[in-house]
Amino acid sequence: ETGVTQSPTHLIKTRGQQVTLRCSSQSGHNTVSWYQQALGQGPQFIFQYYREEENGRGNFPPRFSGLQFPNYSSELNVNALELDDSALYLCASSWGQEETQYFGPGTRLLVL
Amino acid sequence: EDQVTQSPEALRLQEGESSSLNCSYTVSGLRGLFWYRQDPGKGPEFLFTLYSAGEEKEKERLKATLTKKESFLHITAPKPEDSATYLCAVQVNTGANSKLTFGKGITLSVRP
Repeated sequence: ETGVTQSPTHLIKTRGQQVTLRCSSQSGHNTVSWYQQALGQGPQFIFQYYREEENGRGNFPPRFSGLQFPNYSSELNVNALELDDSALYLCASSWGQEETQYFGPGTRLLVL
Repeated sequence: EDQVTQSPEALRLQEGESSSLNCSYTVSGLRGLFWYRQDPGKGPEFLFTLYSAGEEKEKERLKATLTKKESFLHITAPKPEDSATYLCAVQVNTGANSKLTFGKGITLSVRP
């Protein structure tokens, strides 16, 4: 059974640029959630996708957007990058909206 | 607003010295409380889910307990490999998305 995978592992961007992060969910999981984790903090919920539909959003601006594909993989897009967007971005998948979420290794984004 | 507070922020133990990590929560309708372990630069690794007050779960040297206001993660005779950040998260009964609300984590260091 393959776990949650994310790509890329690391990324460096400059302010104002756009970035796309990718996540492949664990086999059999139909729900993907994205979190942002700043250094020394707990993960903060960005949004969740269930069967290709956005199913809830945290306190993040519209420049954070996402997609879920028919195979349940997902993308997180961030436009107009700001310095404060530097963080570890975590993807978690689950079988159903209320089941245990299993996390991927994360993508470390640095905005200069 | 759902709140999760973990204490202490950091804990240093001698190998074999048992201790407990605390997670206090304030939520409107708890569905589940989750414990994760996170190693530096990696994604959180699932440990336990607790659903109701009085419930206990064990795994090797770890035991998690739950009351109506807090959860404890007891570590018995810890080893250096137990050094990590331990995250507590709550999931509430919203009928909508199943986001996790995390505490800031407790950084545990176990000296040989």
